[in-house]
Amino acid sequence: DAMVIQNPRYQVTQFGKPVTLSCSQTLNHNVMYWYQQKSSQAPKLLFHYYDKDFNNEADTPDNFQSRRPNTSFCFLDIRSPGLGDAAMYLCATSNPSGGGGGEQFFGPGTRLTVL
Amino acid sequence: AQSVTQLGSHVSVSEGALVLLRCNYSSSVPPYLFWYVQYPNQGLQLLLKYTSAATLVKGINGFEAEFKKSETSFHLTKPSAHMSDAAEYFCAVSGGGGAQKLVFGQGTRLTINP
Repeated sequence: DAMVIQNPRYQVTQFGKPVTLSCSQTLNHNVMYWYQQKSSQAPKLLFHYYDKDFNNEADTPDNFQSRRPNTSFCFLDIRSPGLGDAAMYLCATSNPSGGGGGEQFFGPGTRLTVL
Repeated sequence: AQSVTQLGSHVSVSEGALVLLRCNYSSSVPPYLFWYVQYPNQGLQLLLKYTSAATLVKGINGFEAEFKKSETSFHLTKPSAHMSDAAEYFCAVSGGGGAQKLVFGQGTRLTINP
């Protein structure tokens, strides 16, 4: 089945220690998104890639970076995690030319704990 | 600019009762509207979507929603709640174009009482 995969599902890191979260997709979608979701809140878009073009949201902290080496993979790098960065991180994809009206396909998420 | 308002951050119904989750939107362009469900420690799963075809949209798990342009609403309903429907529900709007970013409502937590 075509899907969005996130690894690991649970990640524990130490305050200030860089961490990388991974997302891969078998849908061959052009757009990949990264969201941060804190408890009892809606997902908050951090950035997205449209093909190779990176698009940062205005309020995304510089501490968050992303890489998309190819169509299938996208990484979220947190350079110096703080306690406030503990959250669920969701990856999603979409195919704007596919007529879905903006439907996004979500991965299962990675829950990040910062000690 | 687009926005979504979900009325009621928590909704509680009895098993077998009608489920009604309210969503109102604001959009300067014809909207695409979505309802997503999220179970604990999982990602978001699409329940249904409106993309300018039929105004009454049927989704998975017995849910449906009706697009009402005059009321700028897209409320989610299910005739008979099941215990497995307990989850967080998000309404979202997209204006299409470009990367088709979604604007989410704040979410409604649905609790089912036995």
